[in-house]
Amino acid sequence: NAGVTQTPKFRVLKTGQSMTLLCAQDMNHEYMYWYRQDPGMGLRLIHYSVGEGTTAKGEVPDGYNVSRLKKQNFLLGLESAAPSQTSVYFCASNPAGAYEQYFGPGTRLTVT
Amino acid sequence: GEDVEQSLFLSVREGDSSVINCTYTDSSSTYLYWYKQEPGAGLQLLTYIFSNMDMKQDQRLTVLLNKKDKHLSLRIADTQTGDSAIYFCAEVNYGGSQGNLIFGKGTKLSVKP
Repeated sequence: NAGVTQTPKFRVLKTGQSMTLLCAQDMNHEYMYWYRQDPGMGLRLIHYSVGEGTTAKGEVPDGYNVSRLKKQNFLLGLESAAPSQTSVYFCASNPAGAYEQYFGPGTRLTVT
Repeated sequence: GEDVEQSLFLSVREGDSSVINCTYTDSSSTYLYWYKQEPGAGLQLLTYIFSNMDMKQDQRLTVLLNKKDKHLSLRIADTQTGDSAIYFCAEVNYGGSQGNLIFGKGTKLSVKP
């Protein structure tokens, strides 16, 4: 099993550009999450999903959209990137009935 | 609201023991977790403890839980340079918009040779 994978690993965007980050998991997990990690701020939850076709807002959802069209994939979109969205983005997943989350390797995004 | 607190930095010498502390707020939390993040990588589950336990030992790792004080600690015996990482404490979240785990901000452990 590959576990949780994220693409791309690195990306540089100009202000106003859009992009989509892809998270995929092959563990048949129901729950999936998108976090951002910034120095001194720890992990902050952006959006999450408790199943295919469902999404919910986390702590810092503004400026991001998500979709969960397939159980194994969770997409994070930035419609109009801003320098404040420069961060490392992590995807995570867990099965229903369990709490421990499994993390992907992260995507480092820089917005200039 | 719920919050998980950790000190941000810890520095130890190779071979010493490291103790990373965490306080949590939800007394009903059934599981408490420790995650490790190595440089440039994602978080990996290191260990966890069930709330009806006071202590859990796993090789060089010892987790202590004081439910009365809502205090969790992770002790790493014979700390090695490979233990240098950020360690996150997490508690289960039973409500709100924070997903199912609430993470602390992480403690950066630096191990000096």
